[in-house]
Amino acid sequence: AQSVTQPDIHITVSEGASLELRCNYSYGATPYLFWYVQSPGQGLQLLLKYFSGDTLVQGIKGFEAEFKRSQSSFNLRKPSVHWSDAAEYFCAVGENNDMRFGAGTRLTVKP
Amino acid sequence: NAGVTQTPKFRILKIGQSMTLQCTQDMNHNYMYWYRQDPGMGLKLIYYSVGAGITDKGEVPNGYNVSRSTTEDFPLRLELAAPSQTSVYFCASSSPNSPLHFGNGTRLTVT
Repeated sequence: AQSVTQPDIHITVSEGASLELRCNYSYGATPYLFWYVQSPGQGLQLLLKYFSGDTLVQGIKGFEAEFKRSQSSFNLRKPSVHWSDAAEYFCAVGENNDMRFGAGTRLTVKP
Repeated sequence: NAGVTQTPKFRILKIGQSMTLQCTQDMNHNYMYWYRQDPGMGLKLIYYSVGAGITDKGEVPNGYNVSRSTTEDFPLRLELAAPSQTSVYFCASSSPNSPLHFGNGTRLTVT
């Protein structure tokens, strides 16, 4: 069965520092992979997706993620974090009704 | 476009009461979903629908019911509320094999 693991429950970074959020997945076929962001009291917003092709994908708000099949990973990165990036981030794998979400990583940004 | 709209935003129920969480989307998506979000658990699929008149169980359907009489609407019914149903509920919609669009959620407390 497919599953998603986000090893870091909570990460704190300083504003302007770089960020990497980890995501590992287990999936039987070539996966559809997603990163979503959730601000307090809001729904999940799509940051980026990987379906096929170039393994480095660009998303909104300056985020990018790299699909590494050999490591079953899809880590999210941002070169310079802004205070407004403080939120919870969810990695997801699958499609339609067969979508699995990680437990989330909460990002705190220090001034 | 409003996207996915959920009502109410908050609700407190007593044990044994019933209620319906409303969800409507204006993107003409065939697929609609109900998820619940519990702390540290990510999102779990309750029910989904691939079109009007078609619904199916997700990972955690017990205690819930749905209907899909139109493309736009996908209400979630709780018949006999239990404390275990205290959660944040998200409705989402999508086209086939496409990212999900989420509503802003309904925070439900059962006491």
